[in-house]
Amino acid sequence: DTGVSQNPRHKITKRGQNVTFRCDPISEHNRLYWYRQTLGQGPEFLTYFQNEAQLEKSRLLSDRFSAERPKGSFSTLEIQRTEQGDSAMYLCASSTPPWDPYEQYFGPGTRLTVT
Amino acid sequence: AQSVTQLDSQVPVFEEAPVELRCNYSSSVSVYLFWYVQYPNQGLQLLLKYLSGSTLVKGINGFEAEFNKSQTSFHLRKPSVHISDTAEYFCAVSKNTGTASKLTFGTGTRLQVTL
Repeated sequence: DTGVSQNPRHKITKRGQNVTFRCDPISEHNRLYWYRQTLGQGPEFLTYFQNEAQLEKSRLLSDRFSAERPKGSFSTLEIQRTEQGDSAMYLCASSTPPWDPYEQYFGPGTRLTVT
Repeated sequence: AQSVTQLDSQVPVFEEAPVELRCNYSSSVSVYLFWYVQYPNQGLQLLLKYLSGSTLVKGINGFEAEFNKSQTSFHLRKPSVHISDTAEYFCAVSKNTGTASKLTFGTGTRLQVTL
C-alpha cells in the first residue's frame, strides 16, 4: 500500500459544470477527511467519515457540495454548478490505523481550476 | 473553536543556519498540536506532533518543537537547515479527543533556504 491516492490530480472545468473527485484511503483506515486549500492559505476542513457514516460537515460545505463514502472504502466529493470561487486544491486524508490513532495521512490533492 | 496563527508568512535563511518557525494557537479545550510540511505539488507530511507528556518533541528530518502552554505556542526549530528543507510548513491543532479529529491549520510559513 503506497498511501492515500486522489484522482484526478488536476481538473479544469467551466463555470456551471459539475465535477467529481475520488479519494482512495490507506487500507484499514476507517476515518477519511476532505480539506480545501486555496492559494496562500492553510487547508480548511470540509467533512469527514467514520467508515461509511458522514459524521461532520463544515459550514464551508455549501449545498452544492456532496461527499459520499459507500462501503466505507473510497470516497467521492462532488461539486455541482461550479463557481470560480471553488478553484482550490482539494485534499483527502485518512487516519486511525491501529498503530497510530492520531496522525492523518494526506494524499497529493486534486487541483481544481474553474474558468 | 480552535485557531492557529503563524505570524511569519516567509522565512529566508542560509543553509546550515538555525531556524525557528513560530506558531501560536487559541483554544478553550485541551488540544493536540502538529507540524506538517508541504513540498511543491505534494500532499502534507507530518513532521511531529505533541499529544501529552514531555513538552519538547522531536520529529523527522532533525526538526523539533516545544509546547508552551502558558504562551499557547508550539514553535518549530532546526539547528542547521539544508536546501532540501525549502517548503511550506503548517502548524495545526485538533481537539484532544483520544483519537484523530479534524485539523485546524494556520496559514503556513514558507521556508526558503539559500546557499
